[in-house]
Amino acid sequence: GNSVTQMEGPVTLSEEAFLTINCTYTATGYPSLFWYVQYPGEGLQLLLKATKADDKGSNKGFEATYRKETTSFHLEKGSVQVSDSAVYFCAGSNFGNEKLTFGTGTRLTIIP
Amino acid sequence: DTGVSQDPRHKITKRGQNVTFRCDPISEHNRLYWYRQTLGQGPEFLTYFQNEAQLEKSRLLSDRFSAERPKGSFSTLEIQRTEQGDSAMYLCASSLMLGTGVTEAFFGQGTRLTVV
Repeated sequence: GNSVTQMEGPVTLSEEAFLTINCTYTATGYPSLFWYVQYPGEGLQLLLKATKADDKGSNKGFEATYRKETTSFHLEKGSVQVSDSAVYFCAGSNFGNEKLTFGTGTRLTIIP
Repeated sequence: DTGVSQDPRHKITKRGQNVTFRCDPISEHNRLYWYRQTLGQGPEFLTYFQNEAQLEKSRLLSDRFSAERPKGSFSTLEIQRTEQGDSAMYLCASSLMLGTGVTEAFFGQGTRLTVV
């Protein structure tokens, strides 16, 4: 089956710092890859996605590139803000059932 | 549309009692998923429906768990004879399966179950 390994947290950064959260996956075939975000008191929201190798997903200043050769989908942002404080989940799914396999989540705290 | 709704948001129950949760998906969505999330972990897949048909169940879904989606709209998840290990956040998500693929999954805010 599929599995997703995500960088352990928590991560604390100062505002305007550069962010990287690592994610690697193992899967049969070529899954679609996602980053979900959970803000305090809210449900999971899709942040970005990529459906094939070399695709780059981007949203709200965040980016992640689907790297087949390293089986990775690292999340990056050039300059984080306090409002980015949340828990971030990497996930993958296979075509057909589209059920999501999640990583353990990384709690990000941005301090002013 | 107000998104995916789950009810109740919180449930505290005594060990051995039965509980039932409800999920109302986005109205036009034909796919509905249940996940379970324990503290410090990512959500884990439990089961999913396409319309009223339950197409897959995880091995996590023991015989004490049953899910239904009788009319292809809302879904219920029942846990019989609850155990302390059932304490978790139960998440529902929905998506739309089209001929060209599946839209993103939208999640509800979850039902937090505490078994005492």
